[in-house]
Amino acid sequence: QSVLTQPPSVSGAPGQRVPISCTGSSSNLGANYDVQWYQQLPGTGPKLLIYGNRHRPSGVPDRFSGSKSGTSASLAITGLQADDEGDYYCQSFDSRLGGWVFGGGTKLTVL
Amino acid sequence: EVQLVESGGGLVQPGGSLRLSCEVSGFYFRTYWMSWVRQAPGKGLEWVATINSDGSEINYVDSVRGRFTMSRDNANYLLYLQMDSLRVDDTAEYYCARVDSSTWSGGGDHWGQGTLVTVSS
Repeated sequence: QSVLTQPPSVSGAPGQRVPISCTGSSSNLGANYDVQWYQQLPGTGPKLLIYGNRHRPSGVPDRFSGSKSGTSASLAITGLQADDEGDYYCQSFDSRLGGWVFGGGTKLTVL
Repeated sequence: EVQLVESGGGLVQPGGSLRLSCEVSGFYFRTYWMSWVRQAPGKGLEWVATINSDGSEINYVDSVRGRFTMSRDNANYLLYLQMDSLRVDDTAEYYCARVDSSTWSGGGDHWGQGTLVTVSS
């Protein structure tokens, strides 16, 4: 049972927009801690997609965007491409646990 | 270019020990906090520990506290995770990550490719 809750899977056709939600609680997202989003492609380590709720590292396309409100956050991917297929994780800090917490991950399938 | 390369994984019996290393390059190591994160086969990511820039403060997830010890060698750009009293449920790919800010709440802006630890008799 992950501290942050994500849907197990989402799917969309090429070119479409897909959102991925991340729900937390008062000790993490609700305590104003930032959310990060990571992409993990098969057989590779995680790659930072979004930091500080909505900021993209250099090199990450603007097709990826993040938002946060209260105890919820969301990653949106527009203009879906075949090589976007993989697992996506949200991450924040939890004051009760004293460390990072992750969502269970969302598997994105491009139809 | 920022690079993190983990090593030291392998097969170990329950109750045994392993020491993981993470060799970093491409950035001034001594100014960055670092973390270890693991991923059991087919499962999600789990934070293991975070260390501050000079190694004086370390936080662990409850399930490894007292069994794992994180440390760093700033002179040689190396990060370590000493794992003792290993259990079957410690089986996972272990990743080192650079923390993007000097706070416990920062995220991981660069990650290694991982090293696999298998605990089995």
